[in-house]
Amino acid sequence: SQQGEEDPQALSIQEGENATMNCSYKTSINNLQWYRQNSGRGLVHLILIRSNEREKHSGRLRVTLDTSKKSSSLLITASRAADTASYFCATVLISNFGNEKLTFGTGTRLTIIP
Amino acid sequence: DGGITQSPKYLFRKEGQNVTLSCEQNLNHDAMYWYRQDPGQGLRLIYYSQIVNDFQKGDIAEGYSVSREKKESFPLTVTSAQKNPTAFYLCASSIGGGYGANVLTFGAGSRLTVL
Repeated sequence: SQQGEEDPQALSIQEGENATMNCSYKTSINNLQWYRQNSGRGLVHLILIRSNEREKHSGRLRVTLDTSKKSSSLLITASRAADTASYFCATVLISNFGNEKLTFGTGTRLTIIP
Repeated sequence: DGGITQSPKYLFRKEGQNVTLSCEQNLNHDAMYWYRQDPGQGLRLIYYSQIVNDFQKGDIAEGYSVSREKKESFPLTVTSAQKNPTAFYLCASSIGGGYGANVLTFGAGSRLTVL
């Protein structure tokens, strides 16, 4: 089953507005990552936040992590038409054998209306 | 330019045929992964490899096989035993080996359609 679940599944906003999407997960994690996917393409890494961090910024992106609620949010400020894409959270678990495995959520499809 | 190359981009297969999807990386990454993406279901892990000559099953390995004979290459074979192979397949790699090392670099994907 999926470890992460994004909310909402789809979001449409006007260009210039802020977009917020959320991710909830089930088990303890080592870090959480956000990726972006343009239609029919591979995913691109956006930002990583470690389990001992609460907030991280990268350009117009702001990510928060609440390990007590097992949730994260991605905020894109001053949205642009080029931000139209699907956004996925991915949680990283470390197995007993030291193997790292990323598990992806189902994604939020963001549409920016010019 | 460093990156991951997947081929072919589009592939059509008749029922009962095995097909192999190629994945090559020149990033000198130790770890490589195969994911399957279906509409509305996100990405599901098929197989992953942390080092040459070693690989582990992911969440949906049935009907698939892989090999890791070279660091640069991680081909995926979709066998006739895979009941519903039509999907978008994504290969990825990462530096591997430790906390926070698993930022994935993805290829552009291969779309497999069974006729």
